[in-house]
Parts: sequence; C-alpha cells; structure tokens
Amino acid sequence: QKEVEQNSGPLSVPEGAIASLNCTYSDRVSQSFFWYRQYSGKSPELIMSIYSNGDKEDGRFTAQLNKASQYVSLLIRDSQPSDSATYLCAVNIRKTSYDKVIFGPGTSLSVIP
Amino acid sequence: DTAVSQTPKYLVTQMGNDKSIKCEQNLGHDTMYWYKQDSKKFLKIMFSYNNKELIINETVPNRFSPKSPDKAHLNLHINSLELGDSAVYFCASGLAERETQYFGPGTRLLVL
Repeated sequence: QKEVEQNSGPLSVPEGAIASLNCTYSDRVSQSFFWYRQYSGKSPELIMSIYSNGDKEDGRFTAQLNKASQYVSLLIRDSQPSDSATYLCAVNIRKTSYDKVIFGPGTSLSVIP
Repeated sequence: DTAVSQTPKYLVTQMGNDKSIKCEQNLGHDTMYWYKQDSKKFLKIMFSYNNKELIINETVPNRFSPKSPDKAHLNLHINSLELGDSAVYFCASGLAERETQYFGPGTRLLVL
C-alpha cells in the first residue's frame, strides 16, 4: 500500500457545484495533514492544514479528517473556474528519528463554466 | 521580497554535464527541502536539512549532492547529468519537519 493515495482524476465539476477530493494514508500515527494546490507550471501552495479529527473550514474550503479511517478530504463549495488545478494531499509520516511529509500523487480538478 | 527563491528558473544542458541549483529562504525557517517533480507531476522528496544538518536522504543517486552553507540556503549540485534527471526541482522551507512547507518557484531542468 502506498503511503498516501489519491484519485488521480481528472475530476470535473460544473461551476457552483461542490468538489470533493479524497485522500487516504497508511501511517496510523500520522499527526499533520495538508492540502496544497498547484496550478499548471507553478509551485504548490498551502490551502489548508488540519491536525485534529473533524472539520476545519476556511472560506469555501473545508478539510475533514478521520484518523480512525485514515482519510482526509477537501471540499470546495461554490467551485470556480479559478479552482481548476491539481490538489496535493500531504501527510506527516513519523519515522524512527524524524518526521517526513509525504505527498500524494495529486487529483486534477477541472471546474467547467 | 520573495520568500523562497531558486536560481536558475530554467536549465537546459547536455548529458554528462555538471550543474547546480541554488535556493534561499528569508522566512527564518530551520528546515529546508529539495523535491523532484517528474512528468507525471508526482512530487517526491529528495533531501531535507534542519539547521544545516542533513535529516532525510532518500534513495537518490550519489550524483546528487546537497549543500547547506547556512540555514537560509540549500543548494543542489548534480554531477554527470542523465536524461532521466529532466524534471522540475522545487526547494521548500518550513518551521519544522511536520509543519507547512513553502515552495520556491521551481527549476525546470531539461537534459538533452
């Protein structure tokens, strides 16, 4: 099992709809979870970080974490064409003497006007 | 001021050459990273440093050698470049290993 998995997509949603992006991870003791957005030809930028079970909302974005089921999701409400990008899930994996953040393969989102 | 900067932005070179990529961050972070993003867009960690000390060294060929002269700089030197080294290389920094990372603009390397 890969350490961090995501549906590669592409995921297409109409403008104004809710986009739902999912991520699962293998390390049960992972503590930190991140969603990054990467536009084509640009560098990843942080959208949300979440550390506790439950929901965390920031504007149109909601991150959901369920440690028991080892998944983290990102909901984008009222999707806009400017949300079209690749979304990278990143999870902190605890190694013997250090932490390492592992990125998933990314989900490509396309918001259709 | 750019938080994390990389130079050069583009690098086109011949197989067998040696090249370096420089990275600087002005965020005061202790941790810096090098990532490789291949044509399939998979972002894979290569190295991480904490306060000039090497923490993570993934299974990267010995031809790749990072150097951190101080905690604000992390350079990457690549010897004997191969076709498979063509990718985008991102530098990033963070407060600590499990915290948010801030990425540089990337260096697009093309080996001919």
